[in-house]
Parts: sequence; C-alpha cells; structure tokens
Amino acid sequence: AQKITQTQPGMFVQEKEAVTLDCTYDTSDQSYGLFWYKQPSSGEMIFLIYQGSYDEQNATEGRYSLNFQKARKSANLVISASQLGDSAMYFCAMRDSGGYQKVTFGTGTKLQVIP
Amino acid sequence: DAGITQSPRHKVTETGTPVTLRCHQTENHRYMYWYRQDPGHGLRLIHYSYGVKDTDKGEVSDGYSVSRSKTEDFLLTLESATSSQTSVYFCASQGAQADTQYFGPGTRLTVL
Repeated sequence: AQKITQTQPGMFVQEKEAVTLDCTYDTSDQSYGLFWYKQPSSGEMIFLIYQGSYDEQNATEGRYSLNFQKARKSANLVISASQLGDSAMYFCAMRDSGGYQKVTFGTGTKLQVIP
Repeated sequence: DAGITQSPRHKVTETGTPVTLRCHQTENHRYMYWYRQDPGHGLRLIHYSYGVKDTDKGEVSDGYSVSRSKTEDFLLTLESATSSQTSVYFCASQGAQADTQYFGPGTRLTVL
C-alpha cells in the first residue's frame, strides 16, 4: 500500500525567504507520480507541480521546485522568494502505476508567510 | 484549468436521509475521484472511476456508493447520512496524461 508522510503540520517563513516542505513516500511500485497541491483559505485545490518517477531532472514551475530524491523516497517542495499569498495548506500526493491511477494524499503542511 | 463543477456546493441534511452529490467534468477525462477532507486527515479517497461503469473503492468507502453512467458525470451517494459524514467533499478528474488531477470547488456537507 502507498503512503505519503508530511511531518511538518505547520511552518513559518519570512517573506522573500525560501522554504522547504517535506514529503516522504512509501511504495513498491517502480513507476509512480508525485504531486504538490496548494489549498488557500478559500478552499480550492490548486495544482502546483508534478514529478514522474522516471524523470531524471527535478521538476520546476516558476518559484516552485520539487527536490526529488528517489533513493530516499522523498519529494520535497521548495518555494523560493516566499510571498504573503503563499500562506496556505500544502499537500503532497502520489499516483500509483496501476491502470486505475489511484492517488494518495498526505495530511498537509500549513505554511504561514510572515511580513 | 479543467472544467469541473460540483453540485450542490453546500448542503445541510438530517441523519438517516440519502444524499447525492454530483460531479461534472467537460474535459472528457477517463479517471474521476471522490475525496473527503477532514481536519488532521488531509484528503482521503472514497471511490474512484477508471471509466464508464468502472468504479472501485478507496480507503474510506463505507456508507458511500458511486455511479458513472456517462464519462462526464460521477455521482456520490450517501445511502443513509450520518453525522460522521459531515465533511468537505472534493471531486477530481484526470486525463490520460496522468500528470495532473484537476479538482472541483468542493461541497460542504453538514449532517445534523
């Protein structure tokens, strides 16, 4: 069974600083995908970034990058130059390799950006 | 962004009544999902569908059933609502590319 672990229930970061949100995963699959989503206080789920297990380079999307360490089974999200609008819940998720494309989510990290 | 809508957006109901939540997507995505979100638990998968009339259980499926008679619609039914089913319900869909799950806006359900 797949499992996603986010060990940081809450984090603070100073505006304009970089921050790393941790995510570790457990799977026996060789092929899988890793996602990060942002959920602001308004409640919608916003897709941020995706990393495939066979992708050799770390995924980047603007100020977001995914630090993928396959041997350690970690997929940390790095946000550079934090902004006040980055204050939100962040969820890590993993898609399995099966034909059903089932996705498992972590419990989330609440990030607060301090001015 | 994918066009995914959920209805209703808010619902208050009483224990023991059946409730149906609807998810509609306009992207012709093959895969659709229902999640519930509760404090401290993140999103938990209730049921998912990998095609018309093809569905399977997720990790918290007890008390819920689903149906998918058309590609664009995925219905979640609470057969007899209980207070423990008070939650925010999210629908999501995913295309063949498999690199993004698109989420609907959520439905806040309160069971009194």
